[in-house]
Amino acid sequence: GQQVMQIPQYQHVQEGEDFTTYCNSSTTLSNIQWYKQRPGGHPVFLIQLVKSGEVKKQKRLTFQFGEAKKNSSLHITATQTTDVGTYFCAGWEYGNKLVFGAGTILRVKS
Amino acid sequence: DGGITQSPKYLFRKEGQNVTLSCEQNLNHDAMYWYRQDPGQGLRLIYYSQIVNDFQKGDIAEGYSVSREKKESFPLTVTSAQKNPTAFYLCASSSAPGGTGELFFGEGSRLTVL
Repeated sequence: GQQVMQIPQYQHVQEGEDFTTYCNSSTTLSNIQWYKQRPGGHPVFLIQLVKSGEVKKQKRLTFQFGEAKKNSSLHITATQTTDVGTYFCAGWEYGNKLVFGAGTILRVKS
Repeated sequence: DGGITQSPKYLFRKEGQNVTLSCEQNLNHDAMYWYRQDPGQGLRLIYYSQIVNDFQKGDIAEGYSVSREKKESFPLTVTSAQKNPTAFYLCASSSAPGGTGELFFGEGSRLTVL
């Protein structure tokens, strides 16, 4: 079945440094979503990308969807302590299931 | 306020006991999902339902059962057949079954087997 791999598993950055997490699917995706889970919380939807090569920005966050619709990335510019949490990508299999990556845990040192 | 309510938030169970986790939503969403979260493994799909009285197995359905008798309710039973049930369980719903909708999550239920 479909697999979604996400790297790195863990990243610890100094406040103000940039951060990137990468997501790769074993199959072509109809779309990809990104979620953030704060420590002790539940995942919260950030964004959805649908088109091949799509790039979307939310303030300091930049999301990209690959041309082949099999990979994606999330880049945070100048991290802040409020960015702490686990970032998940999730790909919709053509059909009915949303498959999540294992997540990247981001820690920010102030 | 519209949302998803999971209960209980924390649950302790002895080995060999079945336990049912509640999930209720008032978002009028057709699709509902149960995920299991373990450290370092992300979210794994247990069961999902796109419409009332219908549900499908996810990737790790063994040892679990569900029902979908009402649109707003999707309870999950963790049976004694589940070998390693200690985990964080998340219920979610979506307005776009089988397609592109974002998932709205409840706050989760943390199950510990003693």
